[in-house]
Amino acid sequence: DVKVTQSSRYLVKRTGEKVFLECVQDMDHENMFWYRQDPGLGLRLIYFSYDVKMKEKGDIPEGYSVSREKKERFSLILESASTNQTSMYLCASSFPGRSYEQYFGPGTRLTVT
Amino acid sequence: QQPVQSPQAVILREGEDAVINCSSSKALYSVHWYRQKHGEAPVFLMILLKGGEQKGHDKISASFNEKKQQSSLYLTASQLSYSGTYFCGTEMTGTASKLTFGTGTRLQVTL
Repeated sequence: DVKVTQSSRYLVKRTGEKVFLECVQDMDHENMFWYRQDPGLGLRLIYFSYDVKMKEKGDIPEGYSVSREKKERFSLILESASTNQTSMYLCASSFPGRSYEQYFGPGTRLTVT
Repeated sequence: QQPVQSPQAVILREGEDAVINCSSSKALYSVHWYRQKHGEAPVFLMILLKGGEQKGHDKISASFNEKKQQSSLYLTASQLSYSGTYFCGTEMTGTASKLTFGTGTRLQVTL
């Protein structure tokens, strides 16, 4: 079974802190994704990566950056956390190309105070 | 632009049927369907590809109208385990691998 793990289930940070969210997958997937999920807004894509050191902006990249130094690991970075970044963050991975299902991690609920 | 899902929420009795719709204003290559139970990660259900191919769940069916850029998910003889939030994810022509998800449809199945 594909396994996507995220470093924390719950995280509380202060405004202005630098925050790292880590995601690891064990299925040798080329594609990895970061989403945020907010009530009534569904899943919104922040960034995705289709290869090591390659990244593309999603629909809401402002305030975020990413890093992918190894194929299995994709990190989301909040350079200076703000209260409007309080949300559930979901990582996903998939095989490359068209129309492969995405496998999601359990999510990290981040609260910025 | 996010696809539009309808209804936003539905309550069913066990054994009843439901249809969830997903509509996009963009030309689509495929539509994906996922279900998320409370407190859990979204789980893949089905992919519908342009041209009619389907991949996925054997107890849930779906359709994809390429001309109208619409998809519908059909849940028949619903079970308690069908409860959750259903999301469609649309893959647009020219944006391989990237999905844009709808806002979700909350389904509750009761006894």
